[in-house]
Amino acid sequence: EIVLTQSPGTLSLSPGERATLSCRASQSVRSSYLVWYQQKPGQAPRLLIYGASSRATGIPDRFSGSGSGTDFTLTISRLEPEDFAVYYCQQYGSSPPTFGQGTKVEIK
Amino acid sequence: EVQLLESGGGLVQPGGSLRLSCAASGFTFSSYAMSWVRQAPGKGLEWVSTISGSGGSTYYADSVKGRFTISRDNSKNTLYMQMNSLRAEDTAVYYCAKGSDFGVVIIGSYFDYWGQGTLVTVSS
Repeated sequence: EIVLTQSPGTLSLSPGERATLSCRASQSVRSSYLVWYQQKPGQAPRLLIYGASSRATGIPDRFSGSGSGTDFTLTISRLEPEDFAVYYCQQYGSSPPTFGQGTKVEIK
Repeated sequence: EVQLLESGGGLVQPGGSLRLSCAASGFTFSSYAMSWVRQAPGKGLEWVSTISGSGGSTYYADSVKGRFTISRDNSKNTLYMQMNSLRAEDTAVYYCAKGSDFGVVIIGSYFDYWGQGTLVTVSS
């Protein structure tokens, strides 16, 4: 199975700053079949990005995804207060689908 | 509006059984694969199982294979998970999630909508 490793584990930033989250796969992810989810405490995950770079419906354009092969990035251009959360990447290009361990974006 | 509502969680002793349900609305249920994803307390997300739209194909994580059975009733727009021989390590919030693409089951289909989850606690 494909192992996804997210870094850093925790990102401490201030509102208005730029956040760059990394997701590295143990083998190439087919067709850039990679998504990013946001999860806040006590809530279900929310889809942000699919196909590595396409924003889901209703997702602000401050969120962007990039990458291919084994290296993927989620960028939040200017952090808003509501963006402080845990972010997970997930690949759906091979079975079983697998998730990264998450990156927590916390207020500095 | 897509809605997924899980139920059936609770406290169960090790070795016991539980049946989770997920009532779906707002989309053509039978056209989409459905999945269960779990999250142990304070931990990350783990895919558990997926079933095709027709119910004819099922997939399981190795950690639950032989103990859990996923099924669906398309006439009731409801997804199920029968969980037997439960272990302490099965303690988690269980989410049902909708597959993104019409007719696609595992490869090429991500989870575009999630329920709010139901907590399963396995403890004596």
